Amino acid sequence: NAGVTQTPKFRILKIGQSMTLQCTQDMNHNYMYWYRQDPGMGLKLIYYSVGAGITDKGEVPNGYNVSRSTTEDFPLRLELAAPSQTSVYFCASRTGNTDTQYFGPGTRLTVL
Amino acid sequence: QQQVKQSPQSLIVQKGGISIINCAYENTAFDYFPWYQQFPGKGPALLIAIRPDVSEKKEGRFTISFNKSAKQFSLHIMDSQPGDSATYFCAAALSGTYKYIFGTGTRLKVLA
Repeated sequence: NAGVTQTPKFRILKIGQSMTLQCTQDMNHNYMYWYRQDPGMGLKLIYYSVGAGITDKGEVPNGYNVSRSTTEDFPLRLELAAPSQTSVYFCASRTGNTDTQYFGPGTRLTVL
Repeated sequence: QQQVKQSPQSLIVQKGGISIINCAYENTAFDYFPWYQQFPGKGPALLIAIRPDVSEKKEGRFTISFNKSAKQFSLHIMDSQPGDSATYFCAAALSGTYKYIFGTGTRLKVLA
């Protein structure tokens, strides 16, 4: 099993550009999450999903969108990139039977 | 009420010493308290977790102490090793939801 994979690993965007961060898990987990990690700030929940077709906002959803058309994939969309979105983004997943979240390796995004 | 406060922000310990990281929460609805370990350039990985029905859980050199009345929990790393040098995050999960609230992290450095 590859676990949770994220692409790309690094990306530099210009202000106003858009992009999609990809997240795929092969563990058949129902629950998936997107977090951003800023220095000294811990992890903040952006969006989460409890299953295909079901998503909900976390603590910091502004400027982002998500979709969940399959169990495996949970892409995060940035429509109009802003410098405040410079961060490291982590995708995570878990089953419904345990509380353990499994994290991907992260995407480091810089908006200039 | 949904904050998790973590201290210290950074910690330096000699090899063989005990590392102690503390977290405090406010919301009594939290019912799952994991600790995550994160190495540079990697995603967080579950280290150990506890539920409020026990006061202590030990796995190898890692122990969680839980004080329900004080709404505090802590991670103890016994016989700390240079390989333990990483950032540690505490978290709390809200009962009835699918959300984690993370602490701000503690950067641990164990000197050889």
